[in-house]
Amino acid sequence: DTGVSQNPRHKITKRGQNVTFRCDPISEHNRLYWYRQTLGQGPEFLTYFQNEAQLEKSRLLSDRFSAERPKGSFSTLEIQRTEQGDSAMYLCASSYQGSEETQYFGPGTRLLVL
Amino acid sequence: GENVEQHPSTLSVQEGDSAVIKCTYSDSASNYFPWYKQELGKGPQLIIDIRSNVGEKKDQRIAVTLNKTAKHFSLHITETQPEDSAVYFCAANSYGNNRLAFGKGNQVVVIP
Repeated sequence: DTGVSQNPRHKITKRGQNVTFRCDPISEHNRLYWYRQTLGQGPEFLTYFQNEAQLEKSRLLSDRFSAERPKGSFSTLEIQRTEQGDSAMYLCASSYQGSEETQYFGPGTRLLVL
Repeated sequence: GENVEQHPSTLSVQEGDSAVIKCTYSDSASNYFPWYKQELGKGPQLIIDIRSNVGEKKDQRIAVTLNKTAKHFSLHITETQPEDSAVYFCAANSYGNNRLAFGKGNQVVVIP
């Protein structure tokens, strides 16, 4: 069990560019979550998947954001036309069936939009 | 939705002393309460959690207590060590709701 992994760990982009982040959950974890964390705040829920189905989305997830989990394993989070307000740490977490509430987080991807 | 608040925002303790962080929540339907430790540049690490059918849980130097009537829960760290210095987040997860609502975090500084 290698834990949740996320790539890249850091991303610097210019305003207006598109970015994509990847999350690999703990193997056999069927649920995968995305959160966003800004400086001095706790993580805020964005969306979650059960297997390949996206079951819940926060109102924080504007139409510039899209998340996928096509094969029920890894997930991607894409931000189109980035804005400076998108600068944050994007965290991924996973949990397994039978203990769905217990979420294990990855190291995060820190995004800076210039 | 669930609203979680943490107090105090910063806590400094002498090495070897105990640290206590309190959280309050708003949704009486919440039934799962984890605590996470986050070090600089890293993701949150689950350190202990408690479910609503239990009033207290302990794991070595760490314990969590839950008061459902008052809607608050606390993290207790005994015999603090410098490596306990970090930001600690509490969270709550309502029944049937898969999102975790986090507090703003507590910066704990253990002074050697």
